[in-house]
Amino acid sequence: AQKVTQAQTEISVVEKEDVTLDCVYETRDTTYYLFWYKQPPSGELVFLIRRNSFDEQNEISGRYSWNFQKSTSSFNFTITASQVVDSAVYFCALVYGGSQGNLIFGKGTKLSVKP
Amino acid sequence: DVKVTQSSRYLVKRTGEKVFLECVQDMDHENMFWYRQDPGLGLRLIYFSYDVKMKEKGDIPEGYSVSREKKERFSLILESASTNQTSMYLCASSGIAFQETQYFGPGTRLLVL
Repeated sequence: AQKVTQAQTEISVVEKEDVTLDCVYETRDTTYYLFWYKQPPSGELVFLIRRNSFDEQNEISGRYSWNFQKSTSSFNFTITASQVVDSAVYFCALVYGGSQGNLIFGKGTKLSVKP
Repeated sequence: DVKVTQSSRYLVKRTGEKVFLECVQDMDHENMFWYRQDPGLGLRLIYFSYDVKMKEKGDIPEGYSVSREKKERFSLILESASTNQTSMYLCASSGIAFQETQYFGPGTRLLVL
């Protein structure tokens, strides 16, 4: 079965704290892609990153970093020095060759950053 | 810059009304998708289309239909709106390859009274 699990439903931190959002996936395919999206209160899903299954290099973009580990089927997202503007729901998603491009989403993690 | 627009941000309709939700993308994408998002249920795929006049059912197509007469436009139709269709509706588009990134519109919050 293809599945994405985001075990953390809600996380609350104080500004400037670091926070890690967990994502665990299941797939039998050897070729797949993983995504993270951000959904601020306005509602639009904003694309953050795409990673393919053959590239396990970690990625850093400003305060954001992603840790992809095939051995544990995880694709975790860390925000360093969190800010109030990071408050949003974050979704992890999976797509694989047999899915016709249809994303399999996790249930999302709601992050609240308090000043 | 990629752009997906949806015809309304907020919509209030009566039970039994026919409702049209419009989505337009300007990226010349082949694939277009309609999702609904509900608390506790996450995002669920209603329909998708990989070409003009082509459509495929997603996970929850019951009570909905779609239309894609032009490549850039994908419409979601609620033939007879019901209160259980009160939800957030999100449209997305992507290129043809399965790994292409989906880009989302701002969403339509639909309330059916």
